Parts: sequence; structure tokens; C-alpha cells
Amino acid sequence: AQKVTQAQTEISVVEKEDVTLDCVYETRDTTYYLFWYKQPPSGELVFLIRRNSFDEQNEISGRYSWNFQKSTSSFNFTITASQVVDSAVYFCALIPNYGGSQGNLIFGKGTKLSVKP
Amino acid sequence: GAGVSQSPRYKVAKRGQDVALRCDPISGHVSLFWYQQALGQGPEFLTYFQNEAQLDKSGLPSDRFFAERPEGSVSTLKIQRTQQEDSAVYLCASSLYSYGYTFGSGTRLTVV
Repeated sequence: AQKVTQAQTEISVVEKEDVTLDCVYETRDTTYYLFWYKQPPSGELVFLIRRNSFDEQNEISGRYSWNFQKSTSSFNFTITASQVVDSAVYFCALIPNYGGSQGNLIFGKGTKLSVKP
Repeated sequence: GAGVSQSPRYKVAKRGQDVALRCDPISGHVSLFWYQQALGQGPEFLTYFQNEAQLDKSGLPSDRFFAERPEGSVSTLKIQRTQQEDSAVYLCASSLYSYGYTFGSGTRLTVV
């Protein structure tokens, strides 16, 4: 099965707290891409990161960091020192067998993050 | 344009009515995708175009759904005889190269 699971439906934190959003994926393919998107109340999906299955190096971008672990099929996302502007729904997504199935992003159900001042 | 533009932003349709949703991709983007996002859910793939060719329509939920991109730029998603279960946000995305998607803000369809 090809599937993305985001077990946390909603998370609420106070500004400046660190928060980690979990993502677990399932795919039978050895080659795939993983993504994180942010969906603010305005509705558009904002691209945050893409990672291919051969690159397990963790990545940091400002207050954002990502931990990719193939051994546990996880691609977790951490926001350090959260801000009110981080409030949004965050989606993890998978394209299995890249090169063979262009475009078919498989999304998780999303995690709604609320950051309170 | 600077981004992917979708219109209308909101659409209310009476059950049984036909609707047409428009997507204007980023100029020069070869690939175009449609997704359906039900309330509280993640987006689900509907269909994919490369230029004017519809290469994958496996996600279209029924034959009431039809998409076209006749000149390889603007795309229209048409839903015939709308039903309440069609109520959702319809998202369009375009890309120039593989896996570099830009999404529009979506059209929120409400069928009453």
C-alpha cells in the first residue's frame, strides 16, 4: 500500500515553544520523494521541502528542520521557537516510484497547528 | 502570471447543476494537476496533463468529472449533475520540471 499517516490531528502550542509534526509513510517502492506543505487559512499549498529516498541527510532551514529516517519510514518536521504566523495545516506527502508516476502526490490528512501568543 | 490562478474562488451550485472550474497555470509550465480536498482531509489526486495531453485521469471519481487543457495552458475541470458529495476545495497545481509543484488557492465548491 502507498500511504501517508499524520497521527496528530491538531496541536496547540504557545509562542516560542518547539513543536514536532510526525509523518509516517508506507510504500513498496525503493525510490520515492517526500514533501511537506503548509496550508494557511487562505487555502493555497505552500511548498516547504522535497526529499528523495536516497538522501537521508537531515535538513535545517531557519527555524524549520526535517528528520528523515528510512529505518522507521518517518519524515518528521520540527519548528523551533514557534510563532503565531506558523499557525496553519501542515501536510506530509509522498510520490512513490518517481519517474514512473508523475504527479500523483499522496497526502496525509494533515496536522492543524495553532500557535497562541 | 506570477502564480497559479484559479477561478471562481467560491462556487455554490444547486444539486444537479453543471459547473466549470478554471485553472490558469504559471506561464510555460508544462505539467498541470487537479486535486480534490474534502473538508478536514488531505488533497486527493484527480488528473494530470502534460501540455494538452491528459496522461492520467485515474483519480476522477466518476464519469461526471471531465477535465481538459486544449491548448496546453489554461485547464477547465467540469462536473456534470453535481451532487452533495462533490462539495470540496478543488486545487490546481502546475510545474515546469518534475516534482516542483506550485499550487493555486483553490475553488471551494458547495453543492446545496
